[in-house]
Amino acid sequence: AQSVTQLGSHVSVSEGALVLLRCNYSSSVPPYLFWYVQYPNQGLQLLLKYTSAATLVKRINGFEAEFKKSETSFHLTKPSAHMSDAAEYFCAVSLNTGGFKTIFGAGTRLFVKA
Amino acid sequence: GAVVSQHPSWVICKSGTSVKIECRSLDFQATTMFWYRQFPKQSLMLMATSNEGSKATYEQGVEKDKFLINHASLTLSTLTVTSAHPEDSSFYICSAPGTGSPEAFFGQGTRLTVV
Repeated sequence: AQSVTQLGSHVSVSEGALVLLRCNYSSSVPPYLFWYVQYPNQGLQLLLKYTSAATLVKRINGFEAEFKKSETSFHLTKPSAHMSDAAEYFCAVSLNTGGFKTIFGAGTRLFVKA
Repeated sequence: GAVVSQHPSWVICKSGTSVKIECRSLDFQATTMFWYRQFPKQSLMLMATSNEGSKATYEQGVEKDKFLINHASLTLSTLTVTSAHPEDSSFYICSAPGTGSPEAFFGQGTRLTVV
């Protein structure tokens, strides 16, 4: 069965420090992987996606994630944390069950200290 | 990108009443939609898969008689929480996959509070 595991339910960093949110997946076939961000009392926003193209996926707001097949990982990083990055982050895998459905990891709450 | 609209964004209802939540794909057709529930400080748990023209598929432990799903058209799925109780209070989110795409598009979510 395909699934994702997020290591660390809470991560706390200082403003300006490196952000590293870990995600490992298990899959018998090439996975489709995603990172979503959820701010308090809001819905989900797609942050990054890996769909078998470039292994390093970048977004304009500084976040990036690298797909590493050998490590079955898709960790999310940002070189310098900003206070506005404080949110819940979910790693997810998309499964083709006759239509794609998304399965989420447990989530990691990111705290950013001033 | 594709847009999924969910309504209402929040609702408060009395215990014992039923609440209907709508999920619409605005600019694409969705033969399949998914319903998730999120309790405070927890992840999104898949409740059921809504299939246009056929019965929904429920995940283990989800009461199909309590959470009625209807996929009336290629752009609309509804979730009805019947005889709601305070423990049903949660954040409900729907999604629809893009046509032939592994990426899902999510509604804004519905905050249900049962008093």
